[in-house]
Amino acid sequence: KAGVTQTPRYLIKTRGQQVTLSCSPISGHRSVSWYQQTPGQGLQFLFEYFSETQRNKGNFPGRFSGRQFSNSRSEMNVSTLELGDSALYLCASSLSGGRAGNEQFFGPGTRLTVL
Amino acid sequence: EDKVVQSPLSLVVHEGDTVTLNCSYEVTNFRSLLWYKQEKKAPTFLFMLTSSGIEKKSGRLSSILDKKELFSILNITATQTGDSAIYLCAVVTTSGTYKYIFGTGTRLKVLA
Repeated sequence: KAGVTQTPRYLIKTRGQQVTLSCSPISGHRSVSWYQQTPGQGLQFLFEYFSETQRNKGNFPGRFSGRQFSNSRSEMNVSTLELGDSALYLCASSLSGGRAGNEQFFGPGTRLTVL
Repeated sequence: EDKVVQSPLSLVVHEGDTVTLNCSYEVTNFRSLLWYKQEKKAPTFLFMLTSSGIEKKSGRLSSILDKKELFSILNITATQTGDSAIYLCAVVTTSGTYKYIFGTGTRLKVLA
């Protein structure tokens, strides 16, 4: 069974630009969550999508947005990039959100550097 | 506000040592606690704990949850250099929908 895939793996942008990251979950998984990981901050939850609907959202500004397609693939968009957005962005998929504690499977992440 | 705190932040040991990593939490609507190992990029799942006092074990790794004192420990015996990684603890809460709240992790380095 193929794992979670994320593209691109590395990205360099400049301040003010926007970026779109992609995540393909494990086949059959309908829940996709996005996290931002920076040194010293741990993983911070961005949002979760389930069946094309944003079901949960963390405490990030509106510049961070996402969507999910009918095949469960998800995209995350960050507009007006700031230096502080430099981070590893991880996506995780799980079977469903209906039962808490489902194991999440993480993708390899996208390393975003904002210059 | 829900929070998960891991300690120590980092740890350096020698091969063969036994280590204990701690995860304490203050959350509402606790459902489960998860441990992950992150070596390079993607965290990989280790354990899921939902009941107090029941030890989960996998090889040299074991973990237990105390829901009364609100913490969990992850033990690694006879450490090897391959155990060097960041160990993440996450607590799952639910208030209609569920959330995963991660700690900042413990960075473990095992020296040969």
